[in-house]
Amino acid sequence: KAGVTQTPRYLIKTRGQQVTLSCSPISGHRSVSWYQQTPGQGLQFLFEYFSETQRNKGNFPGRFSGRQFSNSRSEMNVSTLELGDSALYLCASSLVSTAVLGETQYFGPGTRLLVL
Amino acid sequence: DQQVKQNSPSLSVQEGRISILNCDYTNSMFDYFLWYKKYPAEGPTFLISISSIKDKNEDGRFTVFLNKSAKHLSLHIVPSQPGDSAVYFCAVSLNTGKLIFGQGTTLQVKP
Repeated sequence: KAGVTQTPRYLIKTRGQQVTLSCSPISGHRSVSWYQQTPGQGLQFLFEYFSETQRNKGNFPGRFSGRQFSNSRSEMNVSTLELGDSALYLCASSLVSTAVLGETQYFGPGTRLLVL
Repeated sequence: DQQVKQNSPSLSVQEGRISILNCDYTNSMFDYFLWYKKYPAEGPTFLISISSIKDKNEDGRFTVFLNKSAKHLSLHIVPSQPGDSAVYFCAVSLNTGKLIFGQGTTLQVKP
């Protein structure tokens, strides 16, 4: 079974631009969560989508948004990019909503975004 | 304020010996705990987990211990192998499903 895939793997943007990242979950998985990893802050939760609905959201500004399609694929959008948005963006999928105790999340390889 | 702390940024052990990675958390309401391993240029890989109703879970060379009174989680790897060299993250979860990660510990296993 194929794992979680993320595209693109690497991206360079300039300040003020916007970016869209894509995540395809493991086949059959209906939940997709997004995380940001930076050297200073570590891995931080952005949001989770389950059945096309945002179920949970972390403490990030409104410039960070996402959506999920009927095939469970998810996109994350960051508008008006800032230098501090440079990070590794990881998505993780799980079979059902992560509200179910013990539901494990499986991570993709990430998209490395560099904002100049 | 960090709710999950891995106080050792790095750990070096000899091949064949035991590796012990530690994690402390602040919220006694956390009910599910996980360890992930991460190699460079890859996403975290799920390793092992434990729910708050248990104090130990074993999977091959990996054992996770949970001490709820001390709010302490540890991962034991026995015997350690060079391929175990990676960054290890502990993560905790509330029933909201959101995972809160520690800062990670870089483990180096020397041949």
